[in-house]
Amino acid sequence: GEQVEQRPPHLSVREGDSAVITCTYTDPNSYYFFWYKQEPGASLQLLMKVFSSTEINEGQGFTVLLNKKDKRLSLNLTAAHPGDSAAYFCAVTPITGNTGKLIFGLGTTLQVQP
Amino acid sequence: EAAVTQSPRNKVAVTGGKVTLSCNQTNNHNNMYWYRQDTGHGLRLIHYSYGAGSTEKGDIPDGYKASRPSQENFSLILELATPSQTSVYFCASGRDSANSDYTFGSGTRLLVI
Repeated sequence: GEQVEQRPPHLSVREGDSAVITCTYTDPNSYYFFWYKQEPGASLQLLMKVFSSTEINEGQGFTVLLNKKDKRLSLNLTAAHPGDSAAYFCAVTPITGNTGKLIFGLGTTLQVQP
Repeated sequence: EAAVTQSPRNKVAVTGGKVTLSCNQTNNHNNMYWYRQDTGHGLRLIHYSYGAGSTEKGDIPDGYKASRPSQENFSLILELATPSQTSVYFCASGRDSANSDYTFGSGTRLLVI
C-alpha cells in the first residue's frame, strides 16, 4: 500500500528564513494531498489541500509544490515567524479504491527562533 | 458549527481497568477514525468506521476495541488498560470520498498508571 516519508523530522530556522518540509510517496495513483498544522498542545488543523492536477498552491506565507514525476510534495514557509512554530504533517490519499482514508507522514516539528 | 468533540480531555486510569474514550461529530460524515499520537511515531491509526454499525481495524488495533452505534458517535474502548497505552488520542471524521480532508477533535490525554 501507499507509504509516505516525511523529512526532516525536526527543523529549526531563524525568523525571516524559509523552511522546507518534504514528503515523498510511493503510489503513483495518489491524487489528493494535504498539509496539516498542529500547534503545541493543540489539534491538527488543515493548512492546504491540493489535487494532482495542480502543481503550485500558495497560501498565506507558504507555498505547496507537487512534483508528480518524482512523487514529492513540499511545503515551503517563506519568511517564517515564531507563530509558524508547530508540527506539520503531510497526508496522501490514493485514488484507486479509496474510501477516504488518509495516509500520514510522521510529521516535522518546526521551531522558528526570534 | 460542524465539529468533532472528544471526551474526556484528560484521563488517568489504573492498569487493568477499562477506559472508554468518546467522540461525537456534527459534520454528518460517514467515516470516523481513532489515532494515537506518540513522539517519534506520528499519528497511528487504531480503528476506523465507514458508518453506523461498522468498525475496521487500523494499523495498531491490538488492545483496543471500537464501537460506532450511530453516525455521530464513535468510541474507543480499552478493556484492560496498560501503561503502554499512555498517549494522546485523536478522533477525526471525514467524508467517504478521495478528496475528503479530516476534521480532528481536540484530543484526549490518557495516562495509565
